[in-house]
Amino acid sequence: AQSVSQHNHHVILSEAASLELGCNYSYGGTVNLFWYVQYPGQHLQLLLKYFSGDPLVKGIKGFEAEFIKSKFSFNLRKPSVQWSDTAEYFCAVTLQTGANNLFFGTGTRLTVIP
Amino acid sequence: KAGVTQTPRYLIKTRGQQVTLSCSPISGHRSVSWYQQTPGQGLQFLFEYFSETQRNKGNFPGRFSGRQFSNSRSEMNVSTLELGDSALYLCASRPGLQQETQYFGPGTRLLVL
Repeated sequence: AQSVSQHNHHVILSEAASLELGCNYSYGGTVNLFWYVQYPGQHLQLLLKYFSGDPLVKGIKGFEAEFIKSKFSFNLRKPSVQWSDTAEYFCAVTLQTGANNLFFGTGTRLTVIP
Repeated sequence: KAGVTQTPRYLIKTRGQQVTLSCSPISGHRSVSWYQQTPGQGLQFLFEYFSETQRNKGNFPGRFSGRQFSNSRSEMNVSTLELGDSALYLCASRPGLQQETQYFGPGTRLLVL
């Protein structure tokens, strides 16, 4: 079955710590990959996306993600988190052929302690 | 450009009632998708409309329906509400049906009592 897995449900970090959130997907075809963020009380916003090309993708606010095709992974990283990064982070996948609605992971709640 | 807008933002209904939610996409975007967000199930795809036609549908019962108007605005309707329909309903738009980013609205929070 098609699925997107985010193994970290809740991550707590101190400011300036490094962040890595895991995302693995299970799809047979070629995919597009996304990370969305939902700040408290705000709507889902796109952090970054991968369609093709360089597997290391840079997004907004210092976030980056690396697509590793052999591992079916698209982990999100940030070298130094800030209190304002406290939010819920969602990994999502669309298929490049056929129906291309977003399939979301269950989300990872990040709490950054000042 | 203005973002995706959704009305109403909050709604309280009782079991058995029906509800209609509205979504206005970003200007120029012709595709509108709807998602349901709950703590237990996360974000799940409901359906997508393009050019007033449903193009794709998720795994939800027939009580969930939608439509799209010629100006690309979309509505979704839930009939015979159940307690489990309490959720945040998100609308997303994109220019077409190709490999494009979807942009989300703030959502409508529905509480069914």
